[in-house]
Amino acid sequence: NAGVTQTPKFQVLKTGQSMTLQCAQDMNHEYMSWYRQDPGMGLRLIHYSVGAGITDQGEVPNGYNVSRSTTEDFPLRLLSAAPSQTSVYFCASSPFPVSTNEKLFFGSGTQLSVL
Amino acid sequence: GNSVTQMEGPVTLSEEAFLTINCTYTATGYPSLFWYVQYPGEGLQLLLKATKADDKGSNKGFEATYRKETTSFHLEKGSVQVSDSAVYFCALRKEGGKLIFGQGTELSVKP
Repeated sequence: NAGVTQTPKFQVLKTGQSMTLQCAQDMNHEYMSWYRQDPGMGLRLIHYSVGAGITDQGEVPNGYNVSRSTTEDFPLRLLSAAPSQTSVYFCASSPFPVSTNEKLFFGSGTQLSVL
Repeated sequence: GNSVTQMEGPVTLSEEAFLTINCTYTATGYPSLFWYVQYPGEGLQLLLKATKADDKGSNKGFEATYRKETTSFHLEKGSVQVSDSAVYFCALRKEGGKLIFGQGTELSVKP
């Protein structure tokens, strides 16, 4: 069972470089989301999507773009990386419409360092 | 707005000690409440949940009761093991799907 797959697991970038973090799920989940995890701050929502073609901003969207062309994939793009984007990034999904007691399924994370 | 506040860590306990990790929340309406656990090097996974006031969620010896009067959802375990060492996140979820996390509490259990 693949679940939620994130690639790469580790990445080092230089300031100003661009890259895309990949996220794919094979559970036919409509809802997908990206979080960043920083020490002492827990997980903060970056962007989310409730279905193909629909995306919306979370708590900390600046510096990140997303798109949702298929149900399975939800890539996160950094157009011009900054040191403040050094973090661990998690993709998560769940069925939608979401009942409030529905859990999220998480990927194993991408550790990103921006020098 | 909606928010979740957890006790700060790290929490260090000896094996077989009693564990409490405090969690309080602020929300309108009736959110569902969750505890997620993150083992080293892994993503988060659901530990337990409660969907309405006075519900008790339980799993793997952990328990938490949804207390609306005190807006709390404290995590407890009677006897911790070394394998329980992890980071624990309290979270709430409202209509529309967004899951709001606390800052996480790191637990270290020593033999």
